[in-house]
Amino acid sequence: QVQLQQSGAELVKPGTSVKLSCKASGYTFTSNHMNWIKQTTGQGLEWIGIINPGSGGTSYNVKFKGKATLTVDKSSSTAFMQLSSLTPEDSAVYYCARMEAYYFDYWGQGVMVTVSS
Amino acid sequence: DIQMTQSPPSLSASLGDKVTITCQASQNINKYIAWYQQKPGKAPRLLIRYTSTLESGTPSRFSGSGSGRDYSFSISNVESEDIASYYCLQYDNLPPWTFGGGTKLELK
Repeated sequence: QVQLQQSGAELVKPGTSVKLSCKASGYTFTSNHMNWIKQTTGQGLEWIGIINPGSGGTSYNVKFKGKATLTVDKSSSTAFMQLSSLTPEDSAVYYCARMEAYYFDYWGQGVMVTVSS
Repeated sequence: DIQMTQSPPSLSASLGDKVTITCQASQNINKYIAWYQQKPGKAPRLLIRYTSTLESGTPSRFSGSGSGRDYSFSISNVESEDIASYYCLQYDNLPPWTFGGGTKLELK
């Protein structure tokens, strides 16, 4: 069965970076694009970006360009998202989600990132 | 970018009721809309794709319809396990993918 296992909660200081992971199992990792989505109480669900695990090609929401960097490690079937220059506005739950025919079919369990001094 | 206006933001229902949630897109999305259920502390779960196609495991009391800019999602005979938040997602004009603001379904 398809599973996306995300890394644990993060408490980070403003101005620093954090790298989140999403380990895929139960399917061929390079067969489906992977997306990252941000969820906050105020802004709801926001799409951050997408990566093609086979080629490494990426596309970002203009709002998150310069904030998020998506990468993959094919050898471990893991997708990563690095968030840089963190501010309290980056505090949120972040999900990875597999794309199937342009919609998101499987989601990771989510990881809470808290940015606080 | 396509904006998805979802309403109502919250909904109160009794067990056995039928409830309907709507999403209006800022332009025609050619039926490329999906609906998700999210329970507290959990990830969204895909229920319906392409307007009305139920995902495997989605109970038949859930349904979707619509075309053009206007779409709806219904639950007939609300059960206690349906208490959750629901979101629409447009996946026609990409990127970016855009979600509705969500509807929180509560028990009356």
